Amino acid sequence: DAGVTQSPTHLIKTRGQHVTLRCSPISGHKSVSWYQQVLGQGPQFIFQYYEKEERGRGNFPDRFSARQFPNYSSELNVNALLLGDSALYLCASSLSDTQYFGPGTRLTVL
Amino acid sequence: EDQVTQSPEALRLQEGESSSLNCSYTVSGLRGLFWYRQDPGKGPEFLFTLYSAGEEKEKERLKATLTKKESFLHITAPKPEDSATYLCAVQAGDTGNQFYFGTGTSLTVIP
Repeated sequence: DAGVTQSPTHLIKTRGQHVTLRCSPISGHKSVSWYQQVLGQGPQFIFQYYEKEERGRGNFPDRFSARQFPNYSSELNVNALLLGDSALYLCASSLSDTQYFGPGTRLTVL
Repeated sequence: EDQVTQSPEALRLQEGESSSLNCSYTVSGLRGLFWYRQDPGKGPEFLFTLYSAGEEKEKERLKATLTKKESFLHITAPKPEDSATYLCAVQAGDTGNQFYFGTGTSLTVIP
């Protein structure tokens, strides 16, 4: 079975630009969560969606937004990029409690 | 405030030298504690879920245990391929499904 997939793998943007990251969950999983992981730190929770509804939001500015589609895939959008947004963005899907992570998207903001 | 602290930050072991990694937590209403392994530049790989004090889970050379305040990941006779960062995460009952992660323990096993 395919695991969680994310696209793109790598992305380079400049300050002020906008970015969209995509995630496809494991088949049958209805919940998707997004995390930001800065080098040397643990993942930080950004959003969780379940059945297209937002179920949780971490301590991130309004420049960050997300949505979930009827097929349970999800997008994370970040506006007005800052240098500090450079990180590995992880998507996780879950059926119950355990979250299974994708390979991540490495975002570099110059 | 919910917190997760992992120690040590880094650990170097000789191949075959057993040791333990610690994850201490302060959360209101623990729903679950999770261990993940993460290789550089990759997403975390699920290892174990623990739900209640006294619970233990094993997988190959790894064994995870849980008490009311902390969890241990025991590594028995490690091999170089066990080298990775080990992350601990907790899920608190009052915050839905949000995971709080520690900063991880970077394990290096020397042949």
